Amino acid sequence: QQKVQQSPESLSVPEGGMASLNCTSSDRNFQYFWWYRQHSGEGPKALMSIFSDGDKKEGRFTAHLNKASLHVSLHIRDSQPSDSALYFCAATQSSNTNKVVFGTGTRLQVLP
Amino acid sequence: EAGVTQSPRYAVLQEGQAVSFWCDPISGHDTLYWYQQPRDQGPQLLVYFRDEAVIDNSQLPSDRFSAVRPKGTNSTLKIQSAKQGDTATYLCASSFSTGQLYFGEGSKLTVL
Repeated sequence: QQKVQQSPESLSVPEGGMASLNCTSSDRNFQYFWWYRQHSGEGPKALMSIFSDGDKKEGRFTAHLNKASLHVSLHIRDSQPSDSALYFCAATQSSNTNKVVFGTGTRLQVLP
Repeated sequence: EAGVTQSPRYAVLQEGQAVSFWCDPISGHDTLYWYQQPRDQGPQLLVYFRDEAVIDNSQLPSDRFSAVRPKGTNSTLKIQSAKQGDTATYLCASSFSTGQLYFGEGSKLTVL
């Protein structure tokens, strides 16, 4: 079964700091990635996608993908207390809708 | 635009009882997913549909779990003879062409 591993399991950063989250897919068929964020009591919400090698920036969020190693990272600059949540990496087989496998998750806490 | 609607939000059962969860996806979304999310873990895919057809149910415990989407719109996930290990939040998501999943708030199941 396809596996998506995330690290670290949990992370604390000060308000205004940089948070860095990591994700690796075990299956080369799953090399398109999304990042989702889930606040307590809610369903996950998509933050951004990354399908090509390199960096992609959306506001305070930057994703980096290395397809050779199937490694993707998410960097959050100027972290805010409202960024405190569970973050999931999700891997899929193409840029269109199909099977989506979620990672193990990273819990981020931003300390005021 | 209305989001993904799930009901009930909460269910508490004794072992051996049955429960059904209902999902109304975003209008026009052809793909519908059911995920199981144990507390503080990543969502685990149970089954997904494109229109009324099951595309992948390989992770659905077929002896006690069933899912249908008869008209390609709403969907029902049923658990027969629930076990304590089924305690989790059941998430429904829908999507159309872009690969981004839109989640409902989930149905939280506790099996005593």
